This record gives sequence, C-alpha cells and structure tokens, in this order.
Amino acid sequence: KAGVTQTPRYLIKTRGQQVTLSCSPISGHRSVSWYQQTPGQGLQFLFEYFSETQRNKGNFPGRFSGRQFSNSRSEMNVSTLELGDSALYLCASSPGGGMNTEAFFGQGTRLTVV
Amino acid sequence: AQSVTQPDIHITVSEGASLELRCNYSYGATPYLFWYVQSPGQGLQLLLKYFSGDTLVQGIKGFEAEFKRSQSSFNLRKPSVHWSDAAEYFCAGARNTGTASKLTFGTGTRLQVTL
Repeated sequence: KAGVTQTPRYLIKTRGQQVTLSCSPISGHRSVSWYQQTPGQGLQFLFEYFSETQRNKGNFPGRFSGRQFSNSRSEMNVSTLELGDSALYLCASSPGGGMNTEAFFGQGTRLTVV
Repeated sequence: AQSVTQPDIHITVSEGASLELRCNYSYGATPYLFWYVQSPGQGLQLLLKYFSGDTLVQGIKGFEAEFKRSQSSFNLRKPSVHWSDAAEYFCAGARNTGTASKLTFGTGTRLQVTL
C-alpha cells in the first residue's frame, strides 16, 4: 500500500508570492490533516479536511487555506508569503471515521521564503 | 487547553544502554497518545499508540511505552539503544473522539547515541 505522498519536496518562493502544496493520502483514507513544523514553534496543526469539508482548524491566519477533492487528495495554499512561513509542511492521512485510528505522515514539503 | 510536554530537549545515551524519554499530557479526559520519530529532513514515523486498555504498549523497532494515568505520563522506553535510533522523538496527543486527526505535539526530544 502506498504511503502519503507530498509534492513538491522542496520549494523556494519570494516574499509576497503564493504557493500551493499537494498531498495524496493513503488509499481509502478520507481525512487529511496539515501541520507546520518550524524550529521556533515546533509542530502546529493547521487544518483537517474530511470528505471535502474542513472539519478542524488551527490558529493560523486566513492566508493559510486548503481544500480537498473527491478523491481525498488535498491541497494547501499560502498567499502573500512571509519570511516566517518558511517551514516543513507535513500532511497526515487517516481513515477519518470510526474509532481508534492513527495518522500517517508524508515526507513533507520544505518551503523556503526569501 | 490540551497540551503535551516533553521535559527533555536533548538526551545522549551510549549504544547498548537503556533509554527512557518522558512525556506528560494535560487533557480533560484520557487522550489518545502517540510517539513518533523523525529523522533529519524527513516526515514522522509512528512508533506506537495508546487508545485504551493495556497500559503497556509495544511498538516498532523494539520500543515500548507505558501509560500512567496517575502521573499523566506516557514515557517511551527501549532496553538497548542502537546507533540508528539517533533522531528526534515526538510525543503527541489527541482527544479520544474516535479519530486522531488533530494532534497536539510536544516540543520533541533529540536523541544522540554515542558509540
């Protein structure tokens, strides 16, 4: 079974630009969550999508948005990039329904804002 | 607010020595608890998980963790560390509402293994 796939692995963007990151979950998983990892703030939850609907949201500004498609693939968008948005962005997939299910993470996308 | 605390930022052990990484949680009710490991520049790999039931859980790579409600702890242990265990370890919690899709992470413990 293929794992969680995130593309691209590395990105360099200029301040003020926007960026879109992609995540393909494990086949059959309907929940996709996004996390930001920085040396200063650690791992922070951004949002979760389940069946194309945002189910949970963390404390990030509106510049951070996401969506999920009918095949459960998810994209995350950051507009008006700031230097502080430089981070490793991790996507996690889980079945999304039922009890006692864990999350599986992708390799991440390393975003550098210059 | 829910929180997960890892008191040790950095730990160094000799290869072959035993290891214990500490994790404390603060949740209104017993949460789901997890340990993940991350190698440099990589994603997170799940080592083990606790949902309910047996308080001693076994994971991959010879790791185990013990859930202690009285101490609000979920410490990770390994009897004999290998050099390849050097990595960063994260404890995480989630509300026990069925799915662990919103995790709260500790700040991580970086493990260094000396030969």
